[in-house]
Amino acid sequence: NAGVMQNPRHLVRRRGQEARLRCSPMKGHSHVYWYRQLPEEGLKFMVYLQKENIIDESGMPKERFSAEFPKEGPSILRIQQVVRGDSAAYFCASSRPSGGTTGELFFGEGSRLTVL
Amino acid sequence: KQEVTQIPAALSVPEGENLVLNCSFTDSAIYNLQWFRQDPGKGLTSLLLIQSSQREQTSGRLNASLDKSSGRSTLYIAASQPGDSATYLCAVISGNTGKLIFGQGTTLQVKP
Repeated sequence: NAGVMQNPRHLVRRRGQEARLRCSPMKGHSHVYWYRQLPEEGLKFMVYLQKENIIDESGMPKERFSAEFPKEGPSILRIQQVVRGDSAAYFCASSRPSGGTTGELFFGEGSRLTVL
Repeated sequence: KQEVTQIPAALSVPEGENLVLNCSFTDSAIYNLQWFRQDPGKGLTSLLLIQSSQREQTSGRLNASLDKSSGRSTLYIAASQPGDSATYLCAVISGNTGKLIFGQGTTLQVKP
């Protein structure tokens, strides 16, 4: 039973380019969460999605960042026109359909974005 | 607004010691509390999940307690080993969207 799969594990982009991070939840999980961990800082919530729905995006920067979780395929976190401050580890977590209020969240290994 | 604090920020102990990591949260209206372990450059491994109706959970040498009314949780590690060296993160779910609010973590070093 594969865990939460994230790719790429490492991504290098130049300023102004786009970054796309992918997350496949655990089998049977339909809730996906994205978190960002900046260097020397804690994990910060970004967005919570269910299939084809954004439930809570209160932690997402208003510009350049977007997320989706289509009916088929992985969840995508997209960062347009990256800047150096976007350099961070981006973690995806998933939980069962009962949701995170009572269910356990399982995290992927993270995608580490470096912006040159 | 929910805030989670972990004390101490760093801890160094000799192998074999029992130790306690502390976590406090400002809003007692939580759904559950989860302890994670993070190794350098790696993802998060879930250690223990305590539902709001529970007082404690145990897994091997780990025991986590929860006191909702006082806004506190502790993670007890018995007979520590060098392999326990990692950052331990406490996180709570409050509100109805299921998002975890994390503490800053306690970085543990167990010396052989």
